[in-house]
Amino acid sequence: EPEVTQTPSHQVTQMGQEVILRCVPISNHLYFYWYRQILGQKVEFLVSFYNNEISEKSEIFDDQFSVERPDGSNFTLKIRSTKLEDSAMYFCASSERQIAQYFGPGTRLTVL
Amino acid sequence: AQSVSQHNHHVILSEAASLELGCNYSYGGTVNLFWYVQYPGQHLQLLLKYFSGDPLVKGIKGFEAEFIKSKFSFNLRKPSVQWSDTAEYFCAVSYNQGGKLIFGQGTELSVKP
Repeated sequence: EPEVTQTPSHQVTQMGQEVILRCVPISNHLYFYWYRQILGQKVEFLVSFYNNEISEKSEIFDDQFSVERPDGSNFTLKIRSTKLEDSAMYFCASSERQIAQYFGPGTRLTVL
Repeated sequence: AQSVSQHNHHVILSEAASLELGCNYSYGGTVNLFWYVQYPGQHLQLLLKYFSGDPLVKGIKGFEAEFIKSKFSFNLRKPSVQWSDTAEYFCAVSYNQGGKLIFGQGTELSVKP
């Protein structure tokens, strides 16, 4: 069964550094999403992406964040200058024809 | 604001007990409803979904959920739980197809063998 994959599984970085989180969505999916879950809190929507542009973004997704689909398979989330409060589990999801979203295993980001 | 609430943070059951996990969403018009499960050390997996039609939906592993529009609820049920159902369960709603999912805070289910 096809799955969404994410790398790395755990990323540790210093405050102020840039990080790129990578996702490989399911191959025939066209809609892509990033969510995050801060420890002990709800899973929160960050951004959705379709047809090479952002469809929707949350208030969390400020100028420090960007997304890109650099080739036909990867979908990346970049945080330009990480803050302590960016420490969270980041989940990528994809869907086909705007139906159910399928999630990857997540990347745990720790900002020191 | 659009929100989802799950009634229980942690539920502990013995094997063969019946399960019902509550989920309520705030009013926002037409909704698409989902239950996801996260087994220990694994990623979020889709259990079941409701878009339209029969308000009683059946999912994988014997789970079902009932959409009650008048109560803004989408409760998850299973007649007889197993130890392998130990996991965290998340209710989620989207207010447009393909739109963002709004999650509840999750319910941790522990099933004693």
